[in-house]
Amino acid sequence: AQSVTQLDSQVPVFEEAPVELRCNYSSSVSVYLFWYVQYPNQGLQLLLKYLSGSTLVKGINGFEAEFNKSQTSFHLRKPSVHISDTAEYFCAVTIQGAQKLVFGQGTRLTINP
Amino acid sequence: DARVTQTPRHKVTEMGQEVTMRCQPILGHNTVFWYRQTMMQGLELLAYFRNRAPLDDSGMPKDRFSAEMPDATLATLKIQPSEPRDSAVYFCASGSIGTAYEQYFGPGTRLTVT
Repeated sequence: AQSVTQLDSQVPVFEEAPVELRCNYSSSVSVYLFWYVQYPNQGLQLLLKYLSGSTLVKGINGFEAEFNKSQTSFHLRKPSVHISDTAEYFCAVTIQGAQKLVFGQGTRLTINP
Repeated sequence: DARVTQTPRHKVTEMGQEVTMRCQPILGHNTVFWYRQTMMQGLELLAYFRNRAPLDDSGMPKDRFSAEMPDATLATLKIQPSEPRDSAVYFCASGSIGTAYEQYFGPGTRLTVT
């Protein structure tokens, strides 16, 4: 079975600072990886996904993530955050050929002015 | 702009009452997921359907929860009888192989059972 660990439950950063949200996964087979964002009182929205190809994936709102197979990681980064990035971020994994996602526990990103 | 819709957005009910939540997936999506989100447990998959057939409902308490897709445009999640521990936000999501495994989430139904 697959599992996802988000190493930080909360990450506070100052506006315009860089941020990295960490995600590690466990699976015995090849996987697809996703980052979703949840703004307050809303559903989840896809930020980016890795299916195959280049290990550096670019998403919406200036976010990017790098798939590292040897370290089984898929960390999310943004070089300069804005107040509007305040939200909860979820890493998720599915095995190739399946649609069922396994989500991490989420990381709450708080941006301070 | 295609979206998943969920009704009601908020529901407050008393313990023991029946609760029905509805979801309209995006037209053309053939897979529908039901999730529950709580502070303690995070995001849990309750059940999902492909082409209206249930594929996995192992995350759902069978004695009180039931999920159905009467047609391709409607998915329902029922709780009978409801209990205070069912208080949570329930999300519906839809997708298809054609969307490269992306799931599109609805806005959720916030359920409070008193």
